[in-house]
This record gives sequence, C-alpha cells and structure tokens, in this order.
Amino acid sequence: KQEVTQIPAALSVPEGENLVLNCSFTDSAIYNLQWFRQDPGKGLTSLLLIQSSQREQTSGRLNASLDKSSGRSTLYIAASQPGDSATYLCAVRPGQAGTALIFGKGTTLSVSS
Amino acid sequence: GAVVSQHPSRVICKSGTSVKIECRSLDFQATTMFWYRQFPKKSLMLMATSNEGSKATYEQGVEKDKFLINHASLTLSTLTVTSAHPEDSSFYICSASQIAGRYTEAFFGQGTRLTVV
Repeated sequence: KQEVTQIPAALSVPEGENLVLNCSFTDSAIYNLQWFRQDPGKGLTSLLLIQSSQREQTSGRLNASLDKSSGRSTLYIAASQPGDSATYLCAVRPGQAGTALIFGKGTTLSVSS
Repeated sequence: GAVVSQHPSRVICKSGTSVKIECRSLDFQATTMFWYRQFPKKSLMLMATSNEGSKATYEQGVEKDKFLINHASLTLSTLTVTSAHPEDSSFYICSASQIAGRYTEAFFGQGTRLTVV
C-alpha cells in the first residue's frame, strides 16, 4: 500500500530564506507526483506536476525534483516571502492515469517578515 | 490551469437533514472525479471515485448510503450527505483530472466546510 510522508510537519523561516520541503513515498511505481498549496480553509492549488519520467520541474521560485527509484521528491522555494505561508501537500498518483492521488499530511510553512 | 468549481463553500445544516455539494469542471470534461474528506491537521482521505454514467466506487469504511454520489454529466458530480450528523462535520473537497495523452494533472475545487448542528 502506497504511503506518502512529508517532513517536516511545520517550518518557520524568516523572509528571504531558501528552503526545502521533503516528500517520500513507499512504492516507486508511480504515474506522476504533484505538489499543492493549501491556504487555511481553502482548496488546493496545483504548483508543480512531475511525470514519472521527469527529474524536475520549475515554476518561478519553485523547483520540484523527483527521484523515483529512491521514492523521494523535494520542493525547493527560493527567496521565501510572507505570502508563501501555507500548507504544502505532496501527492502521488499510483500506476495509472485515472487513479486517485495519495496525499502526505503536508508541511505547514510560516514565513515571517 | 484548468478550473474545478465546488459549491457551496460553506454550509450549516441541522442534524438529520441532507446536504448536496456540487463539483463542476469548468473548462474540461472529466469522466472521473474524486471526493475527499479532510479532518483538521490531517491529510486528504479519499472517500469515493465518481464515474460518469456509472456507480461510484467507495473506499473501505465509507457508507455509500450516507454519502450519495451522482456523476450525471462529464462536467458535474454531486455529493449528497444524507441524514447528516455532527460527526459528518468536515471539509469536503472534490478533484477532477485533466487528461491529455500521457499527461494527467489533478485540479481541486475550493472545498466545502460542512457544519452539522
């Protein structure tokens, strides 16, 4: 059974710092992996999608990497800003295109000004 | 990215009544939608897979008679919480995947905060 773990559970940093959020999964046979952002009481916003054949994806200050063989992904946030404060969720799609995502518990990030 | 719209965003209902939540894919068709439930400080837990034109597939432990799912068109799935009780109070969120060849990306609705009093 696929399990997704995110470390750390919470992180507080001052504005301007670069930071890394970690995600690990137990079964390397994934279709793809997505990183999401969730603000309190809100839905999920897709940040980055990495296909199983890809090693990384970049969008603005965000960079996500994928090492499928070791079951790991990282989300790198450069030059953090207070507006980055949110919960970041990692999710894997096992096996096939039509299957549901399996989520980690998330990392709650707080960036202070 | 694609847009998934969920309505209502918040609902308060009396114990024993039913509540319907709508999930629409606005700019793409989705043969499959997913319904999740999120408890405070917990991850999203898959409740059921909604299939257009056929019965939904429920995860173990989810009561199909309590959480009725209808996927009547390629852009609309509904979740009805029947005979709601306070323990059904939670954050419910739907998802639809946009599939283009080998590219599949999931998009989520805004979520619905259900409070049963």
